[in-house]
Amino acid sequence: SYELTQPPSVSVSPGQTARITCSGDALPKQYAYWYQQKPGQAPVLVIYKDSERPSGIPERFSGSSSGTTVTLTISGVQAEDEADYYCQSADSSGTYKVFGGGTKLTVL
Amino acid sequence: QVQLVQSGAEVKKPGSSVKVSCKASGGTFSSYAISWVRQAPGQGLEWMGRIIPILGIANYAQKFQGRVTITADKSTSTAYMELSSLRSEDTAVYYCARAGRAGTGDAFDIWGQGTMVTVSS
Repeated sequence: SYELTQPPSVSVSPGQTARITCSGDALPKQYAYWYQQKPGQAPVLVIYKDSERPSGIPERFSGSSSGTTVTLTISGVQAEDEADYYCQSADSSGTYKVFGGGTKLTVL
Repeated sequence: QVQLVQSGAEVKKPGSSVKVSCKASGGTFSSYAISWVRQAPGQGLEWMGRIIPILGIANYAQKFQGRVTITADKSTSTAYMELSSLRSEDTAVYYCARAGRAGTGDAFDIWGQGTMVTVSS
């Protein structure tokens, strides 16, 4: 079955830039989406269609795509950004959705 | 603003079934896709399947084929996920999530609050 690969963890100091990658063979054909999840809470959409930001999401969150890899960038990381981040996309047909394994962002 | 409200926590015996509901309030329901996503304790998110109520068509992740059934009742704006032959590994929080808002592609833009299902003898 189709898989998306993320690093298990990323650590940054406050004010630095965090980059979380997500790799998958179908990413050139299918959009990627990013979700933030804090303990005990439902996920929240932070990026859609590779690089679009929903209303209410701070400008420091951005997304990009290059070939089989998409990247979530958080510029000027704040303590409140500490959370798990998941990429999500679909297989080449678009029907079957898939999540990456998740990346724990630690703000040092 | 649309909200998805899920049914309460469940405790089930191995081998039994569970049915979780997800009711949409405050907006339209039928024209969107409703997916079910689960998260085992300390683990990541796992897509189980989805339904498009206006079409009545459901798709299931291969892992759950034959064991999960997703349905929708348009008259009550409620989606259901039934998982059978439960085992301890099915202990998880189960979320419903909406996708298909115009301009957002297939983004899961609205999530239910989650339903804890515990499978224990």
